[in-house]
Amino acid sequence: DVQMTQSPSSLSASVGDRVTITCRASQYISSYLNWFQKKPGTAPRLLIYAASTLQSGVPSRFSASESGTDFTLTISSLQPEDFATYYCQQSYSAPFTFGPGTTVDV
Amino acid sequence: QVQLVESGGGVVQPGRSLRLSCTASGFTFNDYALHWVRQSPGKGLEWLAVISFNGHTTYYADSVRGRFTISRDNSKDTLFLHMSSLGAEDTAVYFCARARRSVELSSIGDYWGQGTLVTVSS
Repeated sequence: DVQMTQSPSSLSASVGDRVTITCRASQYISSYLNWFQKKPGTAPRLLIYAASTLQSGVPSRFSASESGTDFTLTISSLQPEDFATYYCQQSYSAPFTFGPGTTVDV
Repeated sequence: QVQLVESGGGVVQPGRSLRLSCTASGFTFNDYALHWVRQSPGKGLEWLAVISFNGHTTYYADSVRGRFTISRDNSKDTLFLHMSSLGAEDTAVYFCARARRSVELSSIGDYWGQGTLVTVSS
């Protein structure tokens, strides 16, 4: 099975900050990497699919990139509504595992 | 508009079984694969299972394989998750989610249910 790791597990940031979250796959997954945002009491929200494609309706301050088995999610200027937990997920091979999450708080 | 509505959650005793349902509307149900994902209290998201658009292909997480069964009734636009031999570690909010594109199996899109809480407790 593909194992996903994320770093950091949590970070403190302020509105306007640039935030970067890293996800690493334990083996080759091509570009089959998705990023989700999760807030308490709500369903996960797809932000990015295919490693770097912005989902429709997601603000352009979100971006993502890949380098081999390393993937990065960047929020260029953190907004109040962006405080949440972010998860990467591989969709290359079943089981389609999520990373452990990165919590962005104040 | 696309809607997914889970039901069937509740309190269940350890070792017992429970069946969750996810009723869909607003799209051609039998064109899309569907997933189950859960989140235990204070924990992260855990992918559980996927079923192809026609029900012929299923995959499971190691943690539930052999205990959980995903199925669908395309005549009723409904997805199911039959859970057996439940333990405390299965306490979670369970979400159903639609694949991002029709026919595609693996990628979860942006349509999720609101979740249903399953509590395993004596």
